[in-house]
Amino acid sequence: RKEVEQDPGPFNVPEGATVAFNCTYSNSASQSFFWYRQDCRKEPKLLMSVYSSGNEDGRFTAQLNRASQYISLLIRDSKLSDSATYLCVVKSSGGYQKVTFGIGTKLQVIP
Amino acid sequence: DADVTQTPRNRITKTGKRIMLECSQTKGHDRMYWYRQDPGLGLRLIYYSFDVKDINKGEISDGYSVSRQAQAKFSLSLESAIPNQTALYFCATSVGGGGTEQFFGPGTRLTVL
Repeated sequence: RKEVEQDPGPFNVPEGATVAFNCTYSNSASQSFFWYRQDCRKEPKLLMSVYSSGNEDGRFTAQLNRASQYISLLIRDSKLSDSATYLCVVKSSGGYQKVTFGIGTKLQVIP
Repeated sequence: DADVTQTPRNRITKTGKRIMLECSQTKGHDRMYWYRQDPGLGLRLIYYSFDVKDINKGEISDGYSVSRQAQAKFSLSLESAIPNQTALYFCATSVGGGGTEQFFGPGTRLTVL
């Protein structure tokens, strides 16, 4: 089983739609969770951290379910500019604090 | 704006050649990383360095070596390039002491023929 699993998509959604991505992780001792955004052929950039109580940043909502070991990202009112690949990232506890990236979920917002 | 830069941005080389990819940062971060990205496999860690005297292997270090010449510079070498090292390579930095966000360079697209 992969340490971090994501559906690679693509998710094709119309402008204005709401879309949700899930990500599961295998290490129950994982400490920190993030969503990164990667545009085509560009570097990944941090979109948002994911907190235990859930958190929101504008149209984006991230949630964590430690019992089921998954995190989610909800995008409301999708914009064309949201088209990108969304990487789930999990950081373990311990000395090195290993960071593991999922393969990413591709989102295409269509007019 | 503080930056992470990588050179070259694109490189085509032949099997058996020695290649060096360079990374420089002006963020003042202690930690630096080298990743490769392949379709369907995501980002995989090659090497990481927590400071100039601390260098560690990642999950796929075979065939690669690194040098941390200064806090701001971290180079990745392919001693004898092979076609399955064709990939997109990213350098990243983060603050020390358990800092969370990693800042990535623009990437180097390497093709080994």
